Amino acid sequence: DQQVKQNSPSLSVQEGRISILNCDYTNSMFDYFLWYKKYPAEGPTFLISISSIKDKNEDGRFTVFLNKSAKHLSLHIVPSQPGDSAVYFCAASRQGAQKLVFGQGTRLTINP
Amino acid sequence: DAMVIQNPRYQVTQFGKPVTLSCSQTLNHNVMYWYQQKSSQAPKLLFHYYDKDFNNEADTPDNFQSRRPNTSFCFLDIRSPGLGDAAMYLCATSPGLYEQYFGPGTRLTVT
Repeated sequence: DQQVKQNSPSLSVQEGRISILNCDYTNSMFDYFLWYKKYPAEGPTFLISISSIKDKNEDGRFTVFLNKSAKHLSLHIVPSQPGDSAVYFCAASRQGAQKLVFGQGTRLTINP
Repeated sequence: DAMVIQNPRYQVTQFGKPVTLSCSQTLNHNVMYWYQQKSSQAPKLLFHYYDKDFNNEADTPDNFQSRRPNTSFCFLDIRSPGLGDAAMYLCATSPGLYEQYFGPGTRLTVT
């Protein structure tokens, strides 16, 4: 039972354009969502998060949007840079759980 | 810099030979986690400690054990590694809120 899904295994975007990574979840109890970035041979690095009481959170070039009715969130990166090439994991949690449920990841490649 | 450290970064062990992976943190976080990640898959939580309270995931094999002797250190013991245990093992910490902070991982190879 995959509670967090990232349906696109890979995404290729031209440098300077917008990258949009998508994530869907099934558990309506989730109330906090996070995005992690992972380079090869390194651990995931926390990127940005959003609480279920919000529908948007912005941090520099990164914006996360949450659509609770659709159980969908997305990460927008604009403008995309070569250093953004990595695997991006969406994760979800609920209050008191002390655990994250991860999606399978999307490999983002930024082309010059 | 406060951080999560994992040693070794690469570990090769023989089939059936016990192996221990280590994790240390300077963040003074209450919670420590061990994940297993195989290629192109989501990190899979094996277990976590809230302080000294151990929480095992229901589907974590008995072959995997963990110890947390103090706040800073946590160990993952694989008693009899099989070929299917070859993976990246990630340690993470959390102050008890939602965000988790990951170490660089240990890549385990079983020969």
